Amino acid sequence: DSGVTQTPKHLITATGQRVTLRCSPRSGDLSVYWYQQSLDQGLQFLIQYYNGEERAKGNILERFSAQQFPDLHSELNLSSLELGDSALYFCASSDRGGGEQFFGPGTRLTVL
Amino acid sequence: AQSVTQLGSHVSVSEGALVLLRCNYSSSVPPYLFWYVQYPNQGLQLLLKYTSAATLVKGINGFEAEFKKSETSFHLTKPSAHMSDAAEYFCAVSGYYGKLTFGQGTILTVHP
Repeated sequence: DSGVTQTPKHLITATGQRVTLRCSPRSGDLSVYWYQQSLDQGLQFLIQYYNGEERAKGNILERFSAQQFPDLHSELNLSSLELGDSALYFCASSDRGGGEQFFGPGTRLTVL
Repeated sequence: AQSVTQLGSHVSVSEGALVLLRCNYSSSVPPYLFWYVQYPNQGLQLLLKYTSAATLVKGINGFEAEFKKSETSFHLTKPSAHMSDAAEYFCAVSGYYGKLTFGQGTILTVHP
């Protein structure tokens, strides 16, 4: 158990819908990262937050957004969903930007 | 820009044989390098990391990796494979603020 929790574990929805994925980092970790894992693209970095502020952006679509709240949990919002958004979404946390990252169990999103 | 190339998407070994998973990286700054393991339907677990200290890095479960700057390589080895080592392995390089760039992964199969 990494100490990083993600909910829900599975999510099945339809095209055009909007979903929210939630991540709680390890106690004391200030940095949260979001990654997408798909068969086509492999593991890709989406976005990073550090202590509530966006720190780095990767290949994140404009339909996707994220935020980190004062209690340090983070949410990834995916809207206007397409079939190609079906993937595993991982959250990771570290005590600081650049430290070792601990991964959550992931949320498996299926878009039908 | 940073990138990682894992040579061989599938590696098959016999139980007790040497495991060698290859990783080459490209980085414009001194890299931090990582190997992660992913078991089916689980998140990523850190095996080991290189952060510019000793070039031979020992990790969990008997794995080790050697950083070779001249070859831009960070290959993962284990002297004797065990059935429980069957999983997918990812090499990653850390960039600014710690975001990870992953290789495409290598699926390790261990035969009895």
